[in-house]
Amino acid sequence: GAVVSQHPSRVICKSGTSVKIECRSLDFQATTMFWYRQFPKKSLMLMATSNEGSKATYEQGVEKDKFLINHASLTLSTLTVTSAHPEDSSFYICSASMGAGLVGKETQYFGPGTRLLVL
Amino acid sequence: GESVGLHLPTLSVQEGDNSIINCAYSNSASDYFIWYKQESGKGPQFIIDIRSNMDKRQGQRVTVLLNKTVKHLSLQIAATQPGDSAVYFCAENNRAAGNKLTFGGGTRVLVKP
Repeated sequence: GAVVSQHPSRVICKSGTSVKIECRSLDFQATTMFWYRQFPKKSLMLMATSNEGSKATYEQGVEKDKFLINHASLTLSTLTVTSAHPEDSSFYICSASMGAGLVGKETQYFGPGTRLLVL
Repeated sequence: GESVGLHLPTLSVQEGDNSIINCAYSNSASDYFIWYKQESGKGPQFIIDIRSNMDKRQGQRVTVLLNKTVKHLSLQIAATQPGDSAVYFCAENNRAAGNKLTFGGGTRVLVKP
């Protein structure tokens, strides 16, 4: 149980193009999904928190116009990297929680990650 | 600011021995902690969690210990196997801040045959 998938697993794109990454909770409903970025040999950095049906909350220093997040349903959240540049190349990981703030439901389950390379 | 940190960046352990990974946290208000395992090129995998009203919790070959007095968390892996080689992260859940996770820096465990 508590399986989270991401698609694509790997993407290469040209500078200036936009890339969409999907995050799905396969066997549970996720009221809250989180997007992280991870650089090589570093810990995970939270980019934003998204609740189904509402606007995402971005962490300080993360450009909301650059990283568009949509959480349209209880099983799907998308991250769109707009006008990607080489410095956006990274490992992007999503997580899903059944109920943020609810004891026993707050555990975050992570997707397998998406490796983005911008040329 | 509040943070969660790890004492050892790399731990080498002989196959079959027990592993202990340590983690310090600074937010005394935190009430929920999780250990994740991350293999190369993959997302973090949930291992075990513990709430602040407990001081020990056991899973399959893993035990998490919580010492609230000194704000210390540890993960013990019994009879370490080659498949246990990975980076291990402790994470502190902050329910008051919207259920955000604060991750430690990670400890790499290398299992020697």
